[in-house]
Amino acid sequence: DTTVKQNPRYKLARVGKPVNLICSQTMNHDTMYWYQKKPNQAPKLLLFYYDKILNREADTFEKFQSSRPNNSFCSLYIGSAGLEYSAMYLCASSRGTANERLFFGHGTKLSVL
Amino acid sequence: AQSVTQPDARVTVSEGASLQLRCKYSYFGTPYLFWYVQYPRQGLQLLLKYYPGDPVVQGVNGFEAEFSKSNSSFHLRKASVHWSDWAVYFCAVRSGSFNKLTFGAGTRLAVCP
Repeated sequence: DTTVKQNPRYKLARVGKPVNLICSQTMNHDTMYWYQKKPNQAPKLLLFYYDKILNREADTFEKFQSSRPNNSFCSLYIGSAGLEYSAMYLCASSRGTANERLFFGHGTKLSVL
Repeated sequence: AQSVTQPDARVTVSEGASLQLRCKYSYFGTPYLFWYVQYPRQGLQLLLKYYPGDPVVQGVNGFEAEFSKSNSSFHLRKASVHWSDWAVYFCAVRSGSFNKLTFGAGTRLAVCP
């Protein structure tokens, strides 16, 4: 099974409320990533886990949190959603740390109202 | 900082015609380059990847790409497009370690009968 699963496919959230997105993979990949994709823009890396170590991009450091309770699962947490968080959130995983292909999930489309 | 530019947001070709999707990158050093494809209602999938070596790389489904250091380009080509190639194509460059990718905004390919 070479799939990455994301739940839910669509998420509606209210401004100021928290949001938690879930991702899972069964390929025993040691690295999991979260990207944000807005219409007509490039997917933007938010953060990634290598094993149990979280690495957050500098420009999104304070906006997103994540947890990885085990190798298979990874979550993306927004403490207080704003309108600017409306986007598609893509989870991906890879084996190893260099030049390995990324496996992507279908994404979760978050709409903040 | 590294960047990827895909100058064509949309490309329309007739089935059976040849195809070239353009990608320009900016990267200090030797780049590792990728093309990913997103078919309707699916996650991004790796189409092909370039590691330093032969400038022409072959991918799946008859796609190939040519790396040019002098032009800072990594254009995707296909000799004869099929209707099933209807998708969004993303060019990416590896930035740093841990398979971190910097993506372009994508090119939406439409195939006419």
